[in-house]
Amino acid sequence: RKEVEQDPGPFNVPEGATVAFNCTYSNSASQSFFWYRQDCRKEPKLLMSVYSSGNEDGRFTAQLNRASQYISLLIRDSKLSDSATYLCVVKIGGSASKIIFGSGTRLSIRP
Amino acid sequence: DVKVTQSSRYLVKRTGEKVFLECVQDMDHENMFWYRQDPGLGLRLIYFSYDVKMKEKGDIPEGYSVSREKKERFSLILESASTNQTSMYLCASNRGAGELFFGEGSRLTVL
Repeated sequence: RKEVEQDPGPFNVPEGATVAFNCTYSNSASQSFFWYRQDCRKEPKLLMSVYSSGNEDGRFTAQLNRASQYISLLIRDSKLSDSATYLCVVKIGGSASKIIFGSGTRLSIRP
Repeated sequence: DVKVTQSSRYLVKRTGEKVFLECVQDMDHENMFWYRQDPGLGLRLIYFSYDVKMKEKGDIPEGYSVSREKKERFSLILESASTNQTSMYLCASNRGAGELFFGEGSRLTVL
């Protein structure tokens, strides 16, 4: 079983739609959680960290459920520029710890 | 501006050759990582390092080794390249649980 699992998509939604991605992780020693975004032929970049209480950054909302080992990302009022691959990322362990990526969920926003 | 620099964007090597992929960061980060990215598999962790001369195996270390002689430099070595090591290799660095900064990637083809 993969340590971090995501639905690969692709999700193809119209501009303005709300879209949600889910991610599950298997290692209970996971301590920190993130969503990264990767554009085609580019390197991944941090979209947002995910906090236990849930957090919002503009149109983006991230949630963490430690009991179910589940992370989500909600994008409201989607824009064409949101088209990308969204990567769920988990840091396992303490300061000398590995960072594991899910295989990503591809999102395509159509006009 | 933060910077992670990978020495080669594109390499073509022959089976059995020794391959060095170099990565340098200018942010004084203690943690550095090597991933490979393949279609459908996402980013998979090969090795990481949390300090000079320290290294830890990731999820797929077989066929690879690493070197961290200086804080800013983390090298990935393929002792005897094989065709199944054809991939995009991504180097990243961070401090603590902070954001990962990636290089632009090195696309390696092994013939």
